[in-house]
Amino acid sequence: EAQVTQNPRYLITVTGKKLTVTCSQNMNHEYMSWYRQDPGLGLRQIYYSMNVEATDKGDVPEGYKVSRKEKRNFPLILESPSPNQTSLYFCASSRTADRYPHTDTQYFGPGTRLTVL
Amino acid sequence: GEDVEQSLFLSVREGDSSVINCTYTDSSSTYLYWYKQEPGAGLQLLTYIFSNMDMKQDQRLTVLLNKKDKHLSLRIADTQTGDSAIYFCAVVPFSGGYNKLIFGAGTRLAVHP
Repeated sequence: EAQVTQNPRYLITVTGKKLTVTCSQNMNHEYMSWYRQDPGLGLRQIYYSMNVEATDKGDVPEGYKVSRKEKRNFPLILESPSPNQTSLYFCASSRTADRYPHTDTQYFGPGTRLTVL
Repeated sequence: GEDVEQSLFLSVREGDSSVINCTYTDSSSTYLYWYKQEPGAGLQLLTYIFSNMDMKQDQRLTVLLNKKDKHLSLRIADTQTGDSAIYFCAVVPFSGGYNKLIFGAGTRLAVHP
């Protein structure tokens, strides 16, 4: 079954304690991205990756890091989480980035709800 | 940059029509999309419209585009409880690409008996 998985699904942590949210896809997709979803703000892109070892900043990259060492995995790293990073995070993937959503389906993970106290 | 705005809540009675509205600022937007997010799930693409079209119908869904006013709407006919979800408007500017996709804040649709 084609899917994007994220772990953990829920996480409560404290300010400053490094954490990693994993994202994995089983469709051999080149393009992967991370979004955060906040009430009244919709989805905003944090980072994206066109392929292995190719990552770039989205609209709200501050406070986050990513890596793309393998095609299937795209972890999101918060080196020193702060309360303003409390949010719902989505990982997504598609075959390539150079397409439109209606020509190249983008698959979303189930989301990770993060609370930073 | 591009700005996409939506009203945040809509409540309708089961069987009625729902109309969700969206406005955007970039007149070069080529494709405009509607996504649905069900509780506890990621986003799914519902439908889309190309900027040279005024209307697109897909079963119970009708998308209307007023390019002059930069206004997009999604009409759901015969709204059912299964339509309760958050609906996102999203646009892609002329340069295209997933990394250019801009989302609105989402409209939460509540369907009551």
